[in-house]
Parts: sequence; structure tokens; C-alpha cells
Amino acid sequence: ELQLVESGGGLVKPGGSLRLSCAASESSVSKAWVSWVRQAPGKGLEWVGRIKREIDGGTTDYAAPVTGRFTISRDDSKNMVYLEMNSLKVEDTAMYYCTTGGNWFASWGQGTRVIVSS
Amino acid sequence: DNVMTQSPLSLPVTPGEPASISCRSSQSLLQSDGHNYLNWYLQRPGQSPHLLIYLGSIRASGVPDRFSGSGSGTDFTLKISRVEAEDVGTYYCMQAPQTPPFYTFGQGTRLEIK
Repeated sequence: ELQLVESGGGLVKPGGSLRLSCAASESSVSKAWVSWVRQAPGKGLEWVGRIKREIDGGTTDYAAPVTGRFTISRDDSKNMVYLEMNSLKVEDTAMYYCTTGGNWFASWGQGTRVIVSS
Repeated sequence: DNVMTQSPLSLPVTPGEPASISCRSSQSLLQSDGHNYLNWYLQRPGQSPHLLIYLGSIRASGVPDRFSGSGSGTDFTLKISRVEAEDVGTYYCMQAPQTPPFYTFGQGTRLEIK
């Protein structure tokens, strides 16, 4: 089973930037669409964005609240997916999970916490 | 945007008893290929979510057969035939059509043991 490990979370001021990483245990991640899902403290799950596999164009899609501020990229040679977050807002505070799949999310990481606060 | 509405939001259950969670979509999730793009996830306390059911009714690998999913179009149900202590957590339904906004979760249903 594909293992995913997120990293890069931390405390950042409003307006700041952060880059999260998602490391996969095997090269099969190159065959997967990868999404980021977040969970604000005490709240439910919210899809953030996704990147398709290269064979499907490697294109990205984003949820409305993060469009224009967040960018997802991938480096299949390193089995890595990234979430670049700019112009961070207090409401971006959440646990961020990476997960694989197009029509359902089969593998999940343990999450990395992002706190946006002055 | 499509809205996913779960009920109940809180579900106290006695071990060994059945449980049922409803998920209603504001738009049909039945696609032209005949599949319903509706999934169920369980997030145990302090853990990441994991997949229980996909395409409305197919159990994910390793999921006990006491879990079952049913429904079509806009109304779906997750049933647990006999609740066990390890089933405690929050259950989410999620729609996954391939049109924006692509993926939407329900609010979550918190199952607790009485």
C-alpha cells in the first residue's frame, strides 16, 4: 500500500508563504492523481486542490477559497508532491493531508499542521 | 455548488446494534457510466481519514463486511450491521464528479458508543 508523509507545516503570519511536501513511499505515485485536503480545528474535511498524473496532462484544479493563492506541483522523479501556499489567511489554519485518487481517495498521509497567526 | 447533507450529525449507538447514516446530494451523482460517484470515509479520533466505500456501494480493501453502502442519484446510506468499539469516529460522505467543484464532503456524522 502506498504510504504518504506530509511535512513543511508550521506557524506563519498572515500574508506569509509556506510550502508543504508530500513524500510517497514508491514510484507508483507517478500513476496517481494527488489531492490536498484540509481540516480546520474542530471542523470537517475540505478539498483544497489536486494535480493529475503526467499522462493525463499533469494539470491542476483548486477549490475557490485557494484559487490564485495555492499552487500544487509534482516531481515524479522524487516521488514528491508539493503545495505552495501564498498570501496565507487566518482561515487557512488547518491540518493538511495529501491523498491519492481521482474518483475516491484511497491513501492518506498523517497530515501536517499549518497555523496562520500574527 | 453541490451541497452534501448528512444526517444525523451525532449518532450514539449501543455495541452490537445497527447504525445508519444518510447523505443527500443537491445534485445527482449518477454519471453516464452508470456509477454513483459517492464515497464514504471514517476518521477515527486523532487519525487521518480512510476510505470505507467507493462508487456508492463498493467496500474498500480490508473494510469489514458489516459496513455497506447503498443508494443512487441524490440519496445514499451507510449502514453498519453491528457496531463495534473500533467504529467510533466521524463518518464523511464525499461526492466526486469530474466537474467543478470536483470534491465536496458532507458535514460529518460523529458516531459514539453509548
